[in-house]
Amino acid sequence: IAGITQAPTSQILAAGRRMTLRCTQDMRHNAMYWYRQDLGLGLRLIHYSNTAGTTGKGEVPDGYSVSRANTDDFPLTLASAVPSQTSVYFCASSVTSGGTDTQYFGPGTRLTVL
Amino acid sequence: GQNIDQPTEMTATEGAIVQINCTYQTSGFNGLFWYQQHAGEAPTFLSYNVLDGLEEKGRFSSFLSRSKGYSYLLLKELQMKDSASYLCAVSNSNYQLIWGAGTKLIIKP
Repeated sequence: IAGITQAPTSQILAAGRRMTLRCTQDMRHNAMYWYRQDLGLGLRLIHYSNTAGTTGKGEVPDGYSVSRANTDDFPLTLASAVPSQTSVYFCASSVTSGGTDTQYFGPGTRLTVL
Repeated sequence: GQNIDQPTEMTATEGAIVQINCTYQTSGFNGLFWYQQHAGEAPTFLSYNVLDGLEEKGRFSSFLSRSKGYSYLLLKELQMKDSASYLCAVSNSNYQLIWGAGTKLIIKP
């Protein structure tokens, strides 16, 4: 793999179900991010991780959780999905979390919660 | 609050020049990014400005005025493949990126 991969590409989910979106990068970047993108709104940060073993809350963290057990993987879990979580989810990474490094994005996961 | 403003949509002609504006109000400033996003795809990096002035990179240039809270992306010699959304993002005092909603650029032959 080269860059960032996300799985699944798309998913339709019943409300109340648990779902984990996967994200893997092979660039040895320290920082990773999860965003959601909704029509008419900018990308909104859900959670981030400055380095393996640490995580932080972004702008819209409610209903989501993350873990960073190693450098490469940063899964996002919806414990009990609700229709308002219907969105396109992007994982991104950067060399550091300094905020001046370019963020590189995965291809996205399109999630529909019914 | 923190706010990034961009026009929702712009239309331009193939071969022409277009300027996409971005104004921002954020808690602190540590640089401004422009990304390109084709429909159904991920955003990809175009440019980064942290000092006032113009940064030129081929057909694309980006300008920043920190005192005015203003940036623009200039695209020259427009090609059909430039049809995409252009996202402006500012790194704030916490080094988090605040994103605009994006400008959808439509190129007509």
